[in-house]
Amino acid sequence: DGGITQSPKYLFRKEGQNVTLSCEQNLNHDAMYWYRQDPGQGLRLIYYSQIVNDFQKGDIAEGYSVSREKKESFPLTVTSAQKNPTAFYLCASSIQGRAGELFFGEGSRLTVL
Amino acid sequence: GENVEQHPSTLSVQEGDSAVIKCTYSDSASNYFPWYKQELGKGPQLIIDIRSNVGEKKDQRIAVTLNKTAKHFSLHITETQPEDSAVYFCAALRAGGSYIPTFGRGTSLIVHP
Repeated sequence: DGGITQSPKYLFRKEGQNVTLSCEQNLNHDAMYWYRQDPGQGLRLIYYSQIVNDFQKGDIAEGYSVSREKKESFPLTVTSAQKNPTAFYLCASSIQGRAGELFFGEGSRLTVL
Repeated sequence: GENVEQHPSTLSVQEGDSAVIKCTYSDSASNYFPWYKQELGKGPQLIIDIRSNVGEKKDQRIAVTLNKTAKHFSLHITETQPEDSAVYFCAALRAGGSYIPTFGRGTSLIVHP
C-alpha cells in the first residue's frame, strides 16, 4: 500500500544533541512538507520541498534543517539551536500544485530530556 | 499572508447530537478549503473539502458550507458517534501553483456515548 512512513515514532534526546527524523513516501508525490504540532497551536510549517534538490523555509524554520536528495525521502534534522524542540512532528506529501490535499504520516514525538 | 481562525477550540456533545466547527479566513483570494481529522496519536486525514465555486458540499453525515462574502466556512457533523471524537483542522489556500495551506488551530471534538 502507498503511504508515508515516519520514523522513529518516539524519540528522546538530551539537550545539545542533534536528531534526525525520517520521512519516506511511496506515493510518487513531488512535494513534501514538515509540520510541527504543539497543543493548541495547530499545524505550523517548518520546511517544504516542491521538487528534488530544492526546499523552502516555512513559518518556523529556525533551528531545523532538511535535505531532499531523493523524491521519496525528506529527512528533518532538529538541531541544538532549536530552543524548544519537544513536540509532535508530522511529515506530509502531495501532488505538486495540490498542497491542500496532504497525505500525512503518523508522526514522530520528540522529547528533550 | 493568509490567517485562519478556528472556533471553538473544544467541543463536547452527546452521541446523536450535531456538531459545528467554524473557521474564518483573511485572504479573499483563497479558493480551496480542506478539512482534516486527526485521531489520537495519528496524522491528520483529509475528510472533506470545498471550493469557492460552491456554497455547500455533503458527504454522508458531514457537510461543509462556505460564505465567500463573509469569508467564513464551517464543518457540520450530524448524528455524531463516539468514533467522531478527534481533533479537526480547517485550512485555506489558493488552489494550484505553489501555494501552501494555512491551518486553523484545531478543534477537539469529544462525543460522549
